[in-house]
Formats: sequence, structure tokens, C-alpha cells
Amino acid sequence: AQSVTQLGSHVSVSEGALVLLRCNYSSSVPPYLFWYVQYPNQGLQLLLKYTSAATLVKGINGFEAEFKKSETSFHLTKPSAHMSDAAEYFCAVTTTGTASKLTFGTGTRLQVTL
Amino acid sequence: DAMVIQNPRYQVTQFGKPVTLSCSQTLNHNVMYWYQQKSSQAPKLLFHYYDKDFNNEADTPDNFQSRRPNTSFCFLDIRSPGLGDAAMYLCATSSRRAETQYFGPGTRLLVL
Repeated sequence: AQSVTQLGSHVSVSEGALVLLRCNYSSSVPPYLFWYVQYPNQGLQLLLKYTSAATLVKGINGFEAEFKKSETSFHLTKPSAHMSDAAEYFCAVTTTGTASKLTFGTGTRLQVTL
Repeated sequence: DAMVIQNPRYQVTQFGKPVTLSCSQTLNHNVMYWYQQKSSQAPKLLFHYYDKDFNNEADTPDNFQSRRPNTSFCFLDIRSPGLGDAAMYLCATSSRRAETQYFGPGTRLLVL
């Protein structure tokens, strides 16, 4: 079984400040990990993914995430927040195999203030 | 650009009146998924097709059905919508299971 925990349903940062969204996973086999962003009334857009290659993954819009097996974490960061980053962020996990499914965390709503 | 398209973007239906939501893709992916997403919640998988092989989630109500007539198209049929079925419905595709899923813009369903 696999699961994802996102700490903090709401995160508020000032424009220009560091963004840190936390994600911890649980998986009995090596996981594939994803971060998706969702803007209001839109579908999910892939930000970045980890699939057992480099542990530091760079994504779109200046976001990156680091896979830390010892901490079972895959936190999302961005050095400097922009107003346009305000959205809902979902961490998700899947594994290989015929029964694999994408399991989502409960989401973190990022608010960016002036 | 290769993409996942959902029509309509907004759908209003009446309680108990059947409704069909449409998804098409130009990615030529083998797998197509339907998710239900309620307000402030994560997407919930309803079912998926691997090619023509239909895979239903155990907790998906019988009220929800799906059809995949060809590789490009997949439909979600809600036979008798209830007020609790009002949600955003998301279609996604992937080349294989466990590969990256690409989502469409979603259809927001309102049940009156």
C-alpha cells in the first residue's frame, strides 16, 4: 500500500519569500513521486516528477523538489514566491506494477501576499 | 500541441437526468482515467481503461459508467445524477500505468 501526507492544508508566504510545501510518502517499494498544481476551476498541471533518477528534481515555474529516502520526504520548494504561484498543490505517489494507481495527498493551498 | 480535451467545461443537469461527459486525447496514450474532485479535496479515481480493458474502483457507485469507443475518446455517463454528484470531473491519460498522468481542464457538473 502507498500513501502521501501533506503537512499544512494552508500555507501563506509573502511575495519574494521562500516557498516550502511538505510531502511525506509511504511505500513498500520504490516510489514514483509527483507534484501537481491546480489553479481555480482548472485541471491538474504537472510541476515535476521523481522516477528514481536524480534525487533533486527541477520543474516548471522555478520549482524543485528533493527526494530523501531516509526521511521518506519529497518537499517542494521555490526560492522566491510570485503572486501567480497562488494555487492548490498536490503531492502524489505511484509504483510500478499492473495494479499501480496514483495516490494523492490532501493538498496544500498556497497563498501569496504582498 | 498534444493535449487532453474535456467537453463541456461546465455542465448543468437536473436531478435524475442522465448526463454524459466527454474526454479526448491527442497523446495516443493507452491509459485513460476518470476522477471525481469535490471542493477542497483531492481527486478520487472512479475508473480507468488500459486500452479496452476497463478497471472499476471498488467504491465507485453503479450510477457511474464509462465507455471508450476508441483510443482517443472516453466518456463518463452518470445515469441518475444526485445532488451529491456535483463536482469537478477530471480526465487524465498516461502512456502506461505508473507513468506520468496528464490531466484535462475538467468539467464542472452542477446538479439542480
